[in-house]
Amino acid sequence: ETGVTQSPTHLIKTRGQQVTLRCSSQSGHNTVSWYQQALGQGPQFIFQYYREEENGRGNFPPRFSGLQFPNYSSELNVNALELDDSALYLCASSLGWSATDTQYFGPGTRLTVL
Amino acid sequence: GEDVEQSLFLSVREGDSSVINCTYTDSSSTYLYWYKQEPGAGLQLLTYIFSNMDMKQDQRLTVLLNKKDKHLSLRIADTQTGDSAIYFCAETMNTGNQFYFGTGTSLTVIP
Repeated sequence: ETGVTQSPTHLIKTRGQQVTLRCSSQSGHNTVSWYQQALGQGPQFIFQYYREEENGRGNFPPRFSGLQFPNYSSELNVNALELDDSALYLCASSLGWSATDTQYFGPGTRLTVL
Repeated sequence: GEDVEQSLFLSVREGDSSVINCTYTDSSSTYLYWYKQEPGAGLQLLTYIFSNMDMKQDQRLTVLLNKKDKHLSLRIADTQTGDSAIYFCAETMNTGNQFYFGTGTSLTVIP
């Protein structure tokens, strides 16, 4: 139990739709990172937020966007869904963003795009 | 630092040692990590090693780092059936905690 929760657990969308995934970080954790894990692959870094500002971004197009709120919750939004967006989406929270700040992962949201 | 490679599968007998290997590319990584993922669960941090260390031991886990060859390994002593899971190595992007993960090694422990 990491204290990081994600909702919903599973989600099915159709191509072209938009989706919002939610994450609730541990209280006091100012940093949230989002990862995409395709089936049979390792997680890929999407972006990170620190104190409500984007603090780094991986190789993902602009239709992937995020928000972080003062109450330690955050969102991942994906517009114009594509079939390849089907994956497990993981969020991870940490106190800060340095390499010594342990990340605590949520259980993930499984997104299926038909 | 985007190519972190691992062998896909490993099968061992209960009680034996398991060795999971990883090669990474970014020599500027300050920390290297091992995570465990069980079905339906998120990633669980097992251990990590600072890049200026060669070895770190933590109970049944031993991490070896060869910086020259950019090779990282995780040894699990006295492997148990509860150790069956997917194991990921990860390197950090420079000094932050944004990770490049490997492809994962699926460990199966045979009773």
